[in-house]
Amino acid sequence: DGGITQSPKYLFRKEGQNVTLSCEQNLNHDAMYWYRQDPGQGLRLIYYSQIVNDFQKGDIAEGYSVSREKKESFPLTVTSAQKNPTAFYLCASSPRQGGYHGYTFGSGTRLTVV
Amino acid sequence: DQQVKQNSPSLSVQEGRISILNCDYTNSMFDYFLWYKKYPAEGPTFLISISSIKDKNEDGRFTVFLNKSAKHLSLHIVPSQPGDSAVYFCAATGYGNKLVFGAGTILRVKS
Repeated sequence: DGGITQSPKYLFRKEGQNVTLSCEQNLNHDAMYWYRQDPGQGLRLIYYSQIVNDFQKGDIAEGYSVSREKKESFPLTVTSAQKNPTAFYLCASSPRQGGYHGYTFGSGTRLTVV
Repeated sequence: DQQVKQNSPSLSVQEGRISILNCDYTNSMFDYFLWYKKYPAEGPTFLISISSIKDKNEDGRFTVFLNKSAKHLSLHIVPSQPGDSAVYFCAATGYGNKLVFGAGTILRVKS
């Protein structure tokens, strides 16, 4: 079955450390996205990529970095520059850029800073 | 600037009754709208969508209504079931742009 796999499901980070969240899809989708969910704030876009080796900042990119070396993979690094990284992170993909085909989401990663 | 607004953070409904979730948008370029359902600690899943050329779309217990002149859409769930308790996100797009999501509404269906 095709889908999006996010790992790990839970992640704990010490302050000052960088951590990388994994996102892999086998849907053959061109576009991939990273969102952050905080209570009462809905889904906020961090980064998105419409094609391999290309990505753009979303609304809250500060303190995050991404790469898109393979079509299937879009890892997100939460750097020590991110002031409030504790949140639920969601990865999504779509067949091509734009929303007409909707997005398929992964099951998320809960990141907690300890 | 919130282009998609869900002004009700939460809604509580009795099992068997109708649930109505509302969504307003400001961008007149939006021409396709979607609803997603999300359970805690899971990713959102697609529920139902509607194109701007229609004013209603039904799928089983779920119906979405679109009022373009008012820039308003609503999701009706009839009858509501306890398993419908989740966060519902409204999303919109136009001209091939990314989806824009609302803040979500928490629906609680009481048995």
